[in-house]
Amino acid sequence: TQLLEQSPQFLSIQEGENLTVYCNSSSVFSSLQWYRQEPGEGPVLLVTVVTGGEVKKLKRLTFQFGDARKDSSLHITAAQPGDTGLYLCAGSSNSGYALNFGKGTSLLVTP
Amino acid sequence: NAGVTQTPKFRILKIGQSMTLQCTQDMNHNYMYWYRQDPGMGLKLIYYSVGAGITDKGEVPNGYNVSRSTTEDFPLRLELAAPSQTSVYFCASSRTGGANYEQYFGPGTRLTVT
Repeated sequence: TQLLEQSPQFLSIQEGENLTVYCNSSSVFSSLQWYRQEPGEGPVLLVTVVTGGEVKKLKRLTFQFGDARKDSSLHITAAQPGDTGLYLCAGSSNSGYALNFGKGTSLLVTP
Repeated sequence: NAGVTQTPKFRILKIGQSMTLQCTQDMNHNYMYWYRQDPGMGLKLIYYSVGAGITDKGEVPNGYNVSRSTTEDFPLRLELAAPSQTSVYFCASSRTGGANYEQYFGPGTRLTVT
C-alpha cells in the first residue's frame, strides 16, 4: 500500500484567513485527487491532478501536484464557513485500480 | 439520476449477527468499491469489483464478503459481526479504475456492533 500522509490533521481558522494543507508520500503517483467530505455524507471530488508541477484553480481553491508526483498541496484563499469539512487526498499508481486515501485534514472555518 | 444509493443508513448489530449492506448505482459504471471509514483513519478499501462477476480484495477484507451479479449492485456481507467492524461504510463507483476518473460515493451506512 502506498501511504499518503496529510498535514495538518486538524485546522481551525477564522473566516477570511488563508490556509494550506499538504499531502505527501515517498511513492510516485500517476495521478492524485482531492475530495471534500461534509459530516454525514460521502466524499465529493474537487480536482484531479495528473502532470508533475500542475496547478489547478477552483474558485478560491488552488491545487498543486509536486514536480516528482510524490506530493500535493491545497491552498484556500479567504476561507469561508462553507469550506468546513474533511479534505482527503487520494492517489493511484500506474498498476492500481483502486485509490489509496490519506487520513484527511479536518478544517473548521468560524465566522 | 440517483447516483450511488446505500441502505440502510444506520444499523445496530449484536456480536455474532450477520447482515448485508446494499449498494446500487445507476450510472452504468464498471468499477465499484466498498470502503470503511474509522475516526481519524481516512478511508480503507475493503473489496472492489471491475465488472459483473469479478471481485477482488482490498486492504482490509477479513470478516467481509462481496458479490457482483449485476453491473448495478454490489452488496457487502458481514458474517459474525465483531465490535471491530463498528464503522461507517461507503460504497463508491467509477467509470474505470485509478485516479484519472472520479469516484462517486454513496451517503454511507453507520454500523455499530455491540
